[in-house]
Amino acid sequence: DQQVKQNSPSLSVQEGRISILNCDYTNSMFDYFLWYKKYPAEGPTFLISISSIKDKNEDGRFTVFLNKSAKHLSLHIVPSQPGDSAVYFCAASARIRSSNTGKLIFGQGTTLQVKP
Amino acid sequence: GAGVSQSPSNKVTEKGKDVELRCDPISGHTALYWYRQSLGQGLEFLIYFQGNSAPDKSGLPSDRFSAERTGGSVSTLTIQRTQQEDSAVYLCASSLGRVGYTFGSGTRLTVV
Repeated sequence: DQQVKQNSPSLSVQEGRISILNCDYTNSMFDYFLWYKKYPAEGPTFLISISSIKDKNEDGRFTVFLNKSAKHLSLHIVPSQPGDSAVYFCAASARIRSSNTGKLIFGQGTTLQVKP
Repeated sequence: GAGVSQSPSNKVTEKGKDVELRCDPISGHTALYWYRQSLGQGLEFLIYFQGNSAPDKSGLPSDRFSAERTGGSVSTLTIQRTQQEDSAVYLCASSLGRVGYTFGSGTRLTVV
């Protein structure tokens, strides 16, 4: 049961243009969503997150949009740079009782290539 | 240390042997997680430790897999009687909360 899905395994964009990475989820208990970026031979690094009480969060070139009714989130990178080329993972978590920690459920990842 | 440290970085083992993978989390992080990434796949949750609570083992794929966390710090993931399908990158992460989830660089396990 894939609770978090990234249906596009790869995406290629030209430098300077917008990159849009998409993610869908099925579990309505998820209340916190994150994007991670991964380079080869390294662990994933945190990029940006959003709480379910918001529909948009922006950090520099990166913006995450959340559409709760559609159970869909997206990551926009603008302008895209060659150094953004990496695998991007969407992740989600659900609050467990009163705890503020919990496992993250990851999507399969989308490989972004930004061409100079 | 400043980050999550995993050892070894690479491990090649023969089918049927046991292996131990180690994770040193960030000092003070109460939560520790193990994930694995098989070739072409996403990150698959394995096990989660939170303080002194019983670990969430719901992601362990079989009883050949086990993990422990000693003294609330270092964790060891043990795979007994390894199989070729166990080949993957095993990633450890630690956190204080749902923000600040930090991954190590992983252990690449190859079972031949």
